[in-house]
Parts: sequence; C-alpha cells; structure tokens
Amino acid sequence: EAQVTQNPRYLITVTGKKLTVTCSQNMNHEYMSWYRQDPGLGLRQIYYSMNVEVTDKGDVPEGYKVSRKEKRNFPLILESPSPNQTSLYFCASSPPGGQGGNQPQHFGDGTRLSIL
Amino acid sequence: KNQVEQSPQSLIILEGKNCTLQCNYTVSPFSNLRWYKQDTGRGPVSLTIMTFSENTKSNRRYTATLDADTKQSSLHITASQLSDSASYICVVSVGFPYDKVIFGPGTSLSVIP
Repeated sequence: EAQVTQNPRYLITVTGKKLTVTCSQNMNHEYMSWYRQDPGLGLRQIYYSMNVEVTDKGDVPEGYKVSRKEKRNFPLILESPSPNQTSLYFCASSPPGGQGGNQPQHFGDGTRLSIL
Repeated sequence: KNQVEQSPQSLIILEGKNCTLQCNYTVSPFSNLRWYKQDTGRGPVSLTIMTFSENTKSNRRYTATLDADTKQSSLHITASQLSDSASYICVVSVGFPYDKVIFGPGTSLSVIP
C-alpha cells in the first residue's frame, strides 16, 4: 500500500530534550516536505526537499533541522524543543511538481508533539 | 501578500443535506487550486484540482467551482453522509518563480444523523 509513515504519532517531552520525528514514504517520490498545523492557521511549511541531499527552508524553519540522505526518508529534528513548537506535524511526499502544487501531496497521519 | 481564506470556519448539517464551502484567495501569479479533505486524526487527501481555465470539477458527490476573475472557489457537497464529517482545506498554488502552495485554515464540517 502506498503510504507516508510518521513516527511517533504522539510524543510528550520537556523543553530542551532533543527529539527526532521520522518520515518514510514507499512511493519513490522525489519531493518531501514537513508542515506544522496549528488551530486557526493553515498548514505551514517547515522544510522541504526536492531530492536526495537537497533541502531548503520553508516558511517557519526556525528551531528545526532536516536531512535527506535517502530518497525514502526525511526526518525532522528538534535540537532543543521549546513550548512554542507544540503542534501537529505532517510529513508529505509527491512526484516532482509537488512543491508548486502541480502534483497532489500524499500526507502521513501526523505526529502530535507536546513540549512542556 | 499571498493569502487564502475560507468560510465558514465550521458548519453542522443534517445527513442527506447539501452544503457549500467557500474559499477566497489573493495569490499571484495563480497556478492552480486544490481542495483537500482531512479526516480527524489523518493527513489531508486531495479531492480535486482546477487550473485557471477550468470552472468546475467533480469527484463523486463533491463539485468544486472556480472563478478566477473574482478569485473565489467553492466546494459543493451533495447528499451529505456521516463520513463527510471532516475538515476541508483549500490550497492555492503560486506559480513561477515562486512555485509554492498556500494552505487555507480549513472549514470543519460535521454531518449529524
């Protein structure tokens, strides 16, 4: 089954404790992206990757890091999490064109992070 | 400023009734507009996409319209079912050289028996 898998689905942690949210897709998609979703706001892009070893900042990159060493994986790293990073996070992938909306993005089911 | 607004913020309707969700955008240059459905606890799933030259697009009981002159889109749901309860997100693509998408805040629809 074609899917984007995120782990963990839920995480409660404390300020300053480094964490990684993993994202893996099995559709051989070049494009991958991380978003955060907050109440009353649309999905906001954190980072994206057009292909292996190619990453770039989205609209809200502060406090986050990413890497793209393999095509299928795109982990999101919070080196020193803070309470304002409490949010619902989504990973997405698509064939080329997803960044510009010409291809639909396939989303994971989300990771709910709570930073205390 | 590129922006996508949706109305209403939330909506409750009876099963079997129709409803229409609205999307207004100020995006330039416009590339396309897509509607996504997001079930609770799941990621968004694409329903329809429309380019500048398309006025209407249907997907089963969902019909999307686009008026590029007024920069408005609507999503009409016919004969609603309980499974239509979800958030519906309007996403507008900004064309070259920006090549990015702008997500609306979504409309939360509840269909009750």
